[in-house]
Amino acid sequence: DVKVTQSSRYLVKRTGEKVFLECVQDMDHENMFWYRQDPGLGLRLIYFSYDVKMKEKGDIPEGYSVSREKKERFSLILESASTNQTSMYLCASSLGSQRWEKLFFGSGTQLSVL
Amino acid sequence: GENVGLHLPTLSVQEGDNSIINCAYSNSASDYFIWYKQESGKGPQFIIDIRSNMDKRQGQRVTVLLNKTVKHLSLQIAATQPGDSAVYFCAESRYNQGGKLIFGQGTELSVKP
Repeated sequence: DVKVTQSSRYLVKRTGEKVFLECVQDMDHENMFWYRQDPGLGLRLIYFSYDVKMKEKGDIPEGYSVSREKKERFSLILESASTNQTSMYLCASSLGSQRWEKLFFGSGTQLSVL
Repeated sequence: GENVGLHLPTLSVQEGDNSIINCAYSNSASDYFIWYKQESGKGPQFIIDIRSNMDKRQGQRVTVLLNKTVKHLSLQIAATQPGDSAVYFCAESRYNQGGKLIFGQGTELSVKP
């Protein structure tokens, strides 16, 4: 089974802090994704990556950046956390040729920015 | 039990009954559809998918039906069990947007014992 592991289940940070959310997948998937999930808004795509050291903006990239130095790891960075970034963050991965098919998700990180 | 689109975000069914969760999509460029299940405190879990060249696909206790004429997708769960209680999302992939998945709001299924 594909395993997508997010480093923290719950995080509490203060406004202005730099926040790192880490995600690791163990199935050698080429594609990795970061979504945020908010009540009434569903899943919204922040950033995605098709390969090491490449990244593409999703629908809501403002206030975020990403890093993919190794194939298995995709990090989401909040340069200066704000209260409107309080949310559930979900990482996902998929096989290369099936880029947008059968995304496998991690358990999520619930981030609270105070 | 059955719901219709986004106007009924919750569905309550009796254990053992069949459940039908509906999803409407608006873009005729969507050519791939997927259903996810999300239990409380967990990430979405893949259930079943279907391509636009198919009308029906069956899995274990689940069936997805696709009606392209009216742009409607449904997930049928047979003999619903308490463990089926979760939020169910449909998602569509639009080939004219590079295949990017667009997720629905979700329907919360509650199974009464």
